[in-house]
Amino acid sequence: NAGVTQTPKFRILKIGQSMTLQCTQDMNHNYMYWYRQDPGMGLKLIYYSVGAGITDKGEVPNGYNVSRSTTEDFPLRLELAAPSQTSVYFCAGATDTDTQYFGPGTRLTVL
Amino acid sequence: QKEVEQNSGPLSVPEGAIASLNCTYSDRGSQSFFWYRQYSGKSPELIMFIYSNGDKEDGRFTAQLNKASQYVSLLIRDSQPSDSATYLCAVMGGSGTYKYIFGTGTRLKVLA
Repeated sequence: NAGVTQTPKFRILKIGQSMTLQCTQDMNHNYMYWYRQDPGMGLKLIYYSVGAGITDKGEVPNGYNVSRSTTEDFPLRLELAAPSQTSVYFCAGATDTDTQYFGPGTRLTVL
Repeated sequence: QKEVEQNSGPLSVPEGAIASLNCTYSDRGSQSFFWYRQYSGKSPELIMFIYSNGDKEDGRFTAQLNKASQYVSLLIRDSQPSDSATYLCAVMGGSGTYKYIFGTGTRLKVLA
């Protein structure tokens, strides 16, 4: 099993551009999460999903959108990128609510 | 706003000592509590979770929970230089909630 994979690893965007951060898991996780981590800070929950077709907002959803059309995929969409969205983005999956398995992260810079 | 508070550190301990990491949370209805370790430039990995008041031990790690004081701690015995990392406390709310709230993390340095 590859676990939770994220692409790309790094990306530089210009202000106003859009992009999709990909997250895929092959561990049959029901629960999936998107977090952002700013330098020296903890993780802030952006969106989460408890199953295919079900998503909900976390603490910091503004400027982002998600979809969960399949159990395996949970992409995060950034529309109209802003410098405030410069961060490291982590996707995580969980089969139950005990253990989250994190992907390797995507480092995004918006200039 | 539900919050999870941690001292950012760095907390420096000599090799072989006990490291004590602390976390407080504001939501009295919180049910589940987690400690993650994050090495610099890497993703977080789960060390332990605890649900009930008291202590839970796993190898060199002990998690302690006091719901009345809204306090959770992590003790690392016989600290090793490889334990040097940032430790993140996370809290999940009551039944029907699947959101995790993370603290900002405590940076631990174990000195050889």
